[in-house]
Amino acid sequence: DTAVSQTPKYLVTQMGNDKSIKCEQNLGHDTMYWYKQDSKKFLKIMFSYNNKELIINETVPNRFSPKSPDKAHLNLHINSLELGDSAVYFCASSQGRDGRKLLFGSGTQLSVL
Amino acid sequence: GIQVEQSPPDLILQEGANSTLRCNFSDSVNNLQWFHQNPWGQLINLFYIPSGTKQNGRLSATTVATERYSLLYISSSQTTDSGVYFCAVLDRGSTLGRLYFGRGTQLTVWP
Repeated sequence: DTAVSQTPKYLVTQMGNDKSIKCEQNLGHDTMYWYKQDSKKFLKIMFSYNNKELIINETVPNRFSPKSPDKAHLNLHINSLELGDSAVYFCASSQGRDGRKLLFGSGTQLSVL
Repeated sequence: GIQVEQSPPDLILQEGANSTLRCNFSDSVNNLQWFHQNPWGQLINLFYIPSGTKQNGRLSATTVATERYSLLYISSSQTTDSGVYFCAVLDRGSTLGRLYFGRGTQLTVWP
């Protein structure tokens, strides 16, 4: 069974559209994250939730809105997509709030045309 | 935020060779991890190693926290070791998992 799973794996869309990426973990972890990997493979944290509470909110456009319905799920909704949003988005989880032994999902390749 | 520098940026090896990847960081840390991103994009956690030495098969890692660096050793390289190796750290003053990633070492192992 996949520990951290995210869908879809690929997302191709037009500028101005709204899209969502879903993430689920079956590890019983308390903390989940969204990371963005740019075209040069640089990884940067975007958000973190601990037991449904937002604990890390990096400087990202407010077109990006995370939602955590329960501690096993973390979704990312993106409004009014722009060309610069094209990237790979990774979901991750860890047992505690300090991010130790971080486990990643397989990533969602977002292409905005 | 804390600065993380990895070297070399690129490494090309013949199968069977050994290699050492380095991660330098600019401040004290209480959380350091090594990840491997395979050619299919999957990120695998190799080690959680804020200090000391750990080994897992052909891979081992050492972190000297007082000197602000960590090393990842790969022995008897195989083609499946190819990919990008990332180091990520959390500064000592933080209790939240705001990990800072280095830019990675791209490893290519030829048969």
